[in-house]
Amino acid sequence: GAVVSQHPSWVICKSGTSVKIECRSLDFQATTMFWYRQFPKQSLMLMATSNEGSKATYEQGVEKDKFLINHASLTLSTLTVTSAHPEDSSFYICSARDQLDQPQHFGDGTRLSIL
Amino acid sequence: QKEVEQNSGPLSVPEGAIASLNCTYSDRGSQSFFWYRQYSGKSPELIMSIYSNGDKEDGRFTAQLNKASQYVSLLIRDSQPSDSATYLCAALSYSGAGSYQLTFGKGTKLSVIP
Repeated sequence: GAVVSQHPSWVICKSGTSVKIECRSLDFQATTMFWYRQFPKQSLMLMATSNEGSKATYEQGVEKDKFLINHASLTLSTLTVTSAHPEDSSFYICSARDQLDQPQHFGDGTRLSIL
Repeated sequence: QKEVEQNSGPLSVPEGAIASLNCTYSDRGSQSFFWYRQYSGKSPELIMSIYSNGDKEDGRFTAQLNKASQYVSLLIRDSQPSDSATYLCAALSYSGAGSYQLTFGKGTKLSVIP
C-alpha cells in the first residue's frame, strides 16, 4: 500500500518553457502532499507543503509565482515550474501522507533538465 | 528550529558485517521516527518506522530509539552491496495548528564493500 505515482519521470525542454509535474496517491487519500527539490549530491530540500483545497505553504526562499502548486483533490497535486531556466534543472520529488502523524511516501521523482 | 543530525559519511563496511547508522534530533517533542533509503538518482524509500523507546526489528534491519538521549539508530545485519545507499533519518513532530512536520537529516552514505 501507500503508493505515490509521479509523472513524468524525465523532462528535457528549452529555457522559457513551463513544465507541469503530477503527483498522485494511488491507494490512499493524501490530505497533505509535499514537494522537494534535490540537487546532485545534496540533501532533500522541502519547497512547499500543499493541503487539499487550500493554498500551498512555501518554504523560505522558494518563489511561489515561479513554482505553482495545485492540490485540487485528495489524490492529485501538481507542480508547475513556470518559465523554467537552466538553474531550475534539478530532481523534483513529491511525497504524500494519508494521516497527519504517519510517514511520507515518495514518488519516483522527476528529473528536469532545462537547456 | 527543529534539526536532525547525521554523520554524512561515507561509512564503509565489508560485506556481511553490521552497519550502524546514527541520528540525533533536537526537538524533544518529536514523536515518530523514520529511516529512508535513497539510492543514487532515485527518490527516498521508507524502510523503518519506530515510535517508542527500544528496538524494532524487521528482517536484517533493527531500529533503536532512545527518547531520553534524543537518539535514533539503524543497524543493518549481514550487510550486502545492494545496501549501499544514502540513509535518511527523519523525525516527525507537531508544528502547531493541527500540522505535523517531518524533518530530515542530510543522510549518511553507506558503502558495503564486497
